[in-house]
Amino acid sequence: DGGITQSPKYLFRKEGQNVTLSCEQNLNHDAMYWYRQDPGQGLRLIYYSQIVNDFQKGDIAEGYSVSREKKESFPLTVTSAQKNPTAFYLCASKGIGRTNTGELFFGEGSRLTVL
Amino acid sequence: AQTVTQSQPEMSVQEAETVTLSCTYDTSESDYYLFWYKQPPSRQMILVIRQEAYKQQNATENRFSVNFQKAAKSFSLKISDSQLGDAAMYFCAYRSNRDDKIIFGKGTRLHILP
Repeated sequence: DGGITQSPKYLFRKEGQNVTLSCEQNLNHDAMYWYRQDPGQGLRLIYYSQIVNDFQKGDIAEGYSVSREKKESFPLTVTSAQKNPTAFYLCASKGIGRTNTGELFFGEGSRLTVL
Repeated sequence: AQTVTQSQPEMSVQEAETVTLSCTYDTSESDYYLFWYKQPPSRQMILVIRQEAYKQQNATENRFSVNFQKAAKSFSLKISDSQLGDAAMYFCAYRSNRDDKIIFGKGTRLHILP
């Protein structure tokens, strides 16, 4: 079945460590997005990419990095520079073009806890 | 920069009644999309309804409808005949047609009272 797969579902890390969250889609979507969800804060945009080898910062990019080497994959690295990384992370994708409705398709999320 | 505001952190409605969730947004663009997404306890995000800014007619999807007021930059969601399965977080979202940036409001938690 087509969809978006995020892994791992749960992740624990020690302070000072970098960690990479995986996001893979087989929907043939060009655009991919990373959001962070905290209680009472909604979804905040970290990074997004409309095409391979190109990406844009969202509203809270500091302390995060991404790459888009393949259309299907958009991994997010939470670096040690991110001061409060404990959160629920959501990856999403969508098609592009004038006929596209703009609907985002979401993964099931990854819960990162810093110990 | 665009912003999306949901002023109701929580709401409750009696089963079978109607409830309206509010959303306002700020943008200087004229061409964009607006969305309502639902996030049940499973945390899987589900699209409820979408609205294209250039369409004056309000979108409807079964029991869900919107009141889109472009000049007022308002996009409220009406849920009719509320059901227990409607209990969830509801997020309003804005998509820029200029740069494809998609931003969300802080959400409204909806409780359905039996």
